[in-house]
Amino acid sequence: NAGVTQTPKFQVLKTGQSMTLQCAQDMNHNSMYWYRQDPGMGLRLIYYSASEGTTDKGEVPNGYNVSRLNKREFSLRLESAAPSQTSVYFCASSRGQAYGYTFGSGTRLTVV
Amino acid sequence: RKEVEQDPGPFNVPEGATVAFNCTYSNSASQSFFWYRQDCRKEPKLLMSVYSSGNEDGRFTAQLNRASQYISLLIRDSKLSDSATYLCVVKHWEYGNKLVFGAGTILRVKS
Repeated sequence: NAGVTQTPKFQVLKTGQSMTLQCAQDMNHNSMYWYRQDPGMGLRLIYYSASEGTTDKGEVPNGYNVSRLNKREFSLRLESAAPSQTSVYFCASSRGQAYGYTFGSGTRLTVV
Repeated sequence: RKEVEQDPGPFNVPEGATVAFNCTYSNSASQSFFWYRQDCRKEPKLLMSVYSSGNEDGRFTAQLNRASQYISLLIRDSKLSDSATYLCVVKHWEYGNKLVFGAGTILRVKS
C-alpha cells in the first residue's frame, strides 16, 4: 500500500549542481504533479502531467524540467541549483477531475 | 492578491473547544473545494471535500458559499490530535484541474 513514493527524502546541493527528484505512484492514476512548499507561501505548482506522454508548466516552472517516464513515474530535474530553490518538494497524483490528490512524503532540499 | 486566502493563525484553543476556519477564493470559476490537513514536516492529506449543500464528517463540518466565494471548516470538541495546519484548496478546470492551495491556518489544541 505504498501510494506515492518520493526519493530522496533529504538532499543538500551546492549552487550550480544538478539533481533529479524521483516520484512513483502505484495507484494507476493518470495525473501527476510537482509542488514546492515555502513558509507562508503555501504549495505552488511547478509542473504537472495530465496523462502519460504530456507535461505542462505550472505557476513556478523556471529552473526545473520534468519527465513523465511512464504512467507510474514523474521526475523533476534541477539543472543548475540555486539557493532560491531551497524548499520542500511534494509529488502528488490524482485519479481524475473530481478527486483530490494523494501526496508523497516530500523531499527537503537545501541549496547552499 | 492570492487566489486562496486564509487567516494564518495560529489558533490556540483548549481541548473540547469549537473552532472555525474561514477561507476566500478569488476565481469564481472554481469548481471543486477541499480541506487538507498537514502535520508538521509531513505531506498534506485530504480531510474532506466541500459541497454547496454543506457536509459533515464526524466532528468536522464544511460549508461553501459560492455567492461570497467563501469556504469554512468547523471543528467541534477539539482534540489534541487535531493540532495541525489546515489548508483550504480549490480546483478549477481552466487551470487543467490543478489544485490551488491557501497558505494554511495553524491550529494548536492544548490540554
